[in-house]
Amino acid sequence: SQQGEEDPQALSIQEGENATMNCSYKTSINNLQWYRQNSGRGLVHLILIRSNEREKHSGRLRVTLDTSKKSSSLLITASRAADTASYFCAPLTGGFKTIFGAGTRLFVKA
Amino acid sequence: GAVVSQHPSRVICKSGTSVKIECRSLDFQATTMFWYRQFPKQSLMLMATSNEGSKATYEQGVEKDKFLINHASLTLSTLTVTSAHPEDSSFYICSARGGAGETDTQYFGPGTRLTVL
Repeated sequence: SQQGEEDPQALSIQEGENATMNCSYKTSINNLQWYRQNSGRGLVHLILIRSNEREKHSGRLRVTLDTSKKSSSLLITASRAADTASYFCAPLTGGFKTIFGAGTRLFVKA
Repeated sequence: GAVVSQHPSRVICKSGTSVKIECRSLDFQATTMFWYRQFPKQSLMLMATSNEGSKATYEQGVEKDKFLINHASLTLSTLTVTSAHPEDSSFYICSARGGAGETDTQYFGPGTRLTVL
């Protein structure tokens, strides 16, 4: 298992703007997942990208993975107030445990 | 996606009592379940990993005698906080990972807010 480190810790943007958050990790991975957590709620799985993939899209979400730099990014396009939440990355190595970093707190102003 | 439920969603108890939290995978068989704890404005901290039919594996610093975990079936895991104290007040979240085709993704429950008075 390993832990992802998200950056920035907090991000505040206007509705309609794009939001980009980054994740770095330390060792080789099998896949990397992004999750969203609304305040006081459980986590929602957003997207999974495998180690042999470089980019993946899902609706307004775009995830990239650069295994040479051990980093991933999550882009939310045309952000909405409802996107306000904390976002966590979860790199998964051969081990079984998912360890979370501090996350990125995104605030989208209407 | 797969659904994981938790019960209760919120519980308030007196100091010294025990509280049981249930985690169920509703539409898949969860070979492994995880229990996390989250304090306000902090990330999720993994407490333990449980596999169906075997003892849970606890993370360093988590007291196994205080946080009893039972994974009796492929769809149910329970976390019992024994002799709860105010410092145990937290948001407890379970997640489940399934069998073939589901092993890469963890599905999370909605969480249980525990308040110990």
